[in-house]
Amino acid sequence: AQSVTQPDIHITVSEGASLELRCNYSYGATPYLFWYVQSPGQGLQLLLKYFSGDTLVQGIKGFEAEFKRSQSSFNLRKPSVHWSDAAEYFCAVAHNFGNEKLTFGTGTRLTIIP
Amino acid sequence: GAGVSQSPSNKVTEKGKDVELRCDPISGHTALYWYRQSLGQGLEFLIYFQGNSAPDKSGLPSDRFSAERTGGSVSTLTIQRTQQEDSAVYLCASSPEWGVGTEAFFGQGTRLTVV
Repeated sequence: AQSVTQPDIHITVSEGASLELRCNYSYGATPYLFWYVQSPGQGLQLLLKYFSGDTLVQGIKGFEAEFKRSQSSFNLRKPSVHWSDAAEYFCAVAHNFGNEKLTFGTGTRLTIIP
Repeated sequence: GAGVSQSPSNKVTEKGKDVELRCDPISGHTALYWYRQSLGQGLEFLIYFQGNSAPDKSGLPSDRFSAERTGGSVSTLTIQRTQQEDSAVYLCASSPEWGVGTEAFFGQGTRLTVV
């Protein structure tokens, strides 16, 4: 069965500093990978997704993620965080066909300090 | 509104009672999903609909859980004889078409508390 691991439960970063959130997946076939963000009191919002092709994908709000098959990773990065980036971030993987239910990681809570 | 709407936003119920949670997807979206977000469990897939049919109900935790969708639009998730472990945020999402990777738009969820 597919699974997603986000090893960091909580990360604290200073405003303006760079950010990397880790995500590792376990899936036998080509994965379809996603990053979602959940701000307090808000629904989940898609940041970016990877299906194939260029392993570095750009998303909204200045985020990017790199797919590394050899490491089974899909880490999320941002060169300079803003206070508004404080939220919970979820990595997810989907089946490649048949249905598209998402398997989510347990999330990483990001705190931004001035 | 333009987004996925869920009602109620909060529900407190007594153990053993039945509850209904409603989801209004974005107009025209053919696919609809239910997820559950629990402390310590993360986000858990429950069921999805393609139109009014639910090809995969494997995520429903028990036979106390059921869901339906009518008119290819509104969906209702029903939990019978609620238990304390059912306490969670229930999220609904919809997407404009079938297929992997089609972006799913999430509602803000219904927070269910069973006392």
